[in-house]
Amino acid sequence: GDSVTQMEGPVTLSEEAFLTINCTYTATGYPSLFWYVQYPGEGLQLLLKATKADDKGSNKGFEATYRKETTSFHLEKGSVQVSDSAVYFCALSGYSSASKIIFGSGTRLSIRP
Amino acid sequence: DAGVIQSPRHEVTEMGQEVTLRCKPISGHDYLFWYRQTMMRGLELLIYFNNNVPIDDSGMPEDRFSAKMPNASFSTLKIQPSEPRDSAVYFCASSSTRTGNTIYFGEGSWLTVV
Repeated sequence: GDSVTQMEGPVTLSEEAFLTINCTYTATGYPSLFWYVQYPGEGLQLLLKATKADDKGSNKGFEATYRKETTSFHLEKGSVQVSDSAVYFCALSGYSSASKIIFGSGTRLSIRP
Repeated sequence: DAGVIQSPRHEVTEMGQEVTLRCKPISGHDYLFWYRQTMMRGLELLIYFNNNVPIDDSGMPEDRFSAKMPNASFSTLKIQPSEPRDSAVYFCASSSTRTGNTIYFGEGSWLTVV
């Protein structure tokens, strides 16, 4: 079945460092891919998404490119801020899962001032 | 537009008591999801509805859990009787096929069973 694998956390970086959180997927057909972010004490919020191969989703300085050849959707940001500290979830909505979104296990990111 | 609205935000209850969590999805959305989040198990899909009909309840942990969606603007998740291991954050979420299946989450109901 469809699945998402993302890098284990926690990830701790200094402010202004470069961020990469890896995400790979297994799915039938052509899924849509998402990154959600969860700030402390809140629900998950959509950060960005991509619906077809080679699409780049971007928001708040974060980017991720849908790579079908490597079945990946890695999250990147060039210069992180303390306010980016949160848990990040990679997710997919695939042909076999219909409208059900499958989430990865989440990666906790902490940014040091 | 109002987002997904959940109540209560926080609940502390004693073991054996009935707990009812409530959700109002975004107007016009045709899918509604109930998730549970714990440190140990992460984010788990419990059940989801399409047009008020339960589609997949395979994530519901046991018979103590039940969910209903009597109309397009309201759903409940009930636990009876509650147990300490049910302590978690329960999220309701909704989506629409018209908006590319992006799921929108509520702020969660934080349940503690003592």
